[in-house]
Amino acid sequence: DIQMTQSPSTLSASVGDRVTITCRANQTIANYLHWYQQKPGKAPNLLIYTASSLQTGVAPRFSGSGSASGTDFTLTISNLQPEDFATYFCHQSYTTPNTFGQGTKLDIK
Amino acid sequence: QVTLRESGPALVKPTQTLTVTCTFSGFALSTTGMCVSWIRQTPGMALEWLGVITWDGDTYYNASLKTRLTISKASSKDQVVLTMTNVGPGDTGTYYCTRSELLTYHYALDVWGQGTTVTVSS
Repeated sequence: DIQMTQSPSTLSASVGDRVTITCRANQTIANYLHWYQQKPGKAPNLLIYTASSLQTGVAPRFSGSGSASGTDFTLTISNLQPEDFATYFCHQSYTTPNTFGQGTKLDIK
Repeated sequence: QVTLRESGPALVKPTQTLTVTCTFSGFALSTTGMCVSWIRQTPGMALEWLGVITWDGDTYYNASLKTRLTISKASSKDQVVLTMTNVGPGDTGTYYCTRSELLTYHYALDVWGQGTTVTVSS
């Protein structure tokens, strides 16, 4: 199975900050990497698909990128808003079983 | 509008069979590239991919669960059923059905059901 290592596990930031979350795969996954936001008691919500494509309806302060090697990926949130404090997961769909990062909880500093 | 909704028991006894039904609308599973996937979230919040059924009826399972898991289309074309046999406490969690699509989304999970929480306990 492909292992996804997501960091950090927790992140404290303030409204207006810019933050970055990273996800590393232990083998290439091309651009089959997606990012989700989850709020307490809710299902995850797709933010970014195929590493850098913004899902319809998602604020453009969310952006994603990936390395040429297809193993390192980042989610960046610019100008943090109060509604952005949540948990974020990465997900690889390059192979089955799909696997997820362990999550990053973003909380208010 | 695409929606999915899971339904199933909240409590299951160890060794019993868990059946969760996903009822969806707003898309056709028969459309090329379309899939319904099942994801489980543990009480510790980890996400686990369980398996998928594709537009042409193929199924793929997480090998760790393969012998206990079946994903199938129900007689209604707008339902997918997850069946898990011989459940144990480690199967406790929230079960989500999701839509995924190959051609544009490369199997990103673009729409999720609200989830159904299952507790395995005697």
